[in-house]
Amino acid sequence: DIQMTQSPSSLSASVGDRVTITCRASQNINTFLNWYQQKPGQAPKVVIFAASNLQSGVPSRFSGGGSGTDFALTISNLQPEDFATYFCHQSYQTPQTFGQGTNLEL
Amino acid sequence: QVQLQESGPGLVKPSETLSLTCTVSGGSIGTYYWSWIRQTPEKRLDWIGYISYSGIPYYNPSFKSRVTISLDTSKAQFSLSLTSLTTADTAIYYCARDYKGLIDYWGQGTLVTVSS
Repeated sequence: DIQMTQSPSSLSASVGDRVTITCRASQNINTFLNWYQQKPGQAPKVVIFAASNLQSGVPSRFSGGGSGTDFALTISNLQPEDFATYFCHQSYQTPQTFGQGTNLEL
Repeated sequence: QVQLQESGPGLVKPSETLSLTCTVSGGSIGTYYWSWIRQTPEKRLDWIGYISYSGIPYYNPSFKSRVTISLDTSKAQFSLSLTSLTTADTAIYYCARDYKGLIDYWGQGTLVTVSS
């Protein structure tokens, strides 16, 4: 299985900050990497797909990058609604696997 | 707007079999893969497997001996069966749509507790 390692596991930030979450794959996954946002009591929601593509309806302050084994999700000008848990997800190979999550807290 | 809704028991006894159904509305079953994913109390997401629109299943080897995913296109439903349950199977179970590797629509999730 491809292991996905996110860092940090938790992150404290303030409204208006710029934060970056990283995700490392245990082998090359090209750009088969997605990022999801999850709020308490809700299912995950796509924010970035194929490493760097912004999902429709997601604010442009979210951006993603990387390829191969190293990826990053950046949120600029943090807004109150951005405080949530973020997961990376690889779909390069089955079984699909997820990072352990990054809890972004105020 | 595509919607997915899980249904099934919330409490199952150890050693028994879990059966969940997902009903898809607002979109076609065709050209997509239909997934089951669970989230443990520790918030870990586990990909259980999916089934193609043509009915071919793919399972996570971690579950392979215990899991069956089936598809009923006439009812726009797909199902999960997980046997030999233990307390480690306690989780929120999500059904979801997979489009070319992107899980773009999720059900609301259903909490399944394994306890005697």
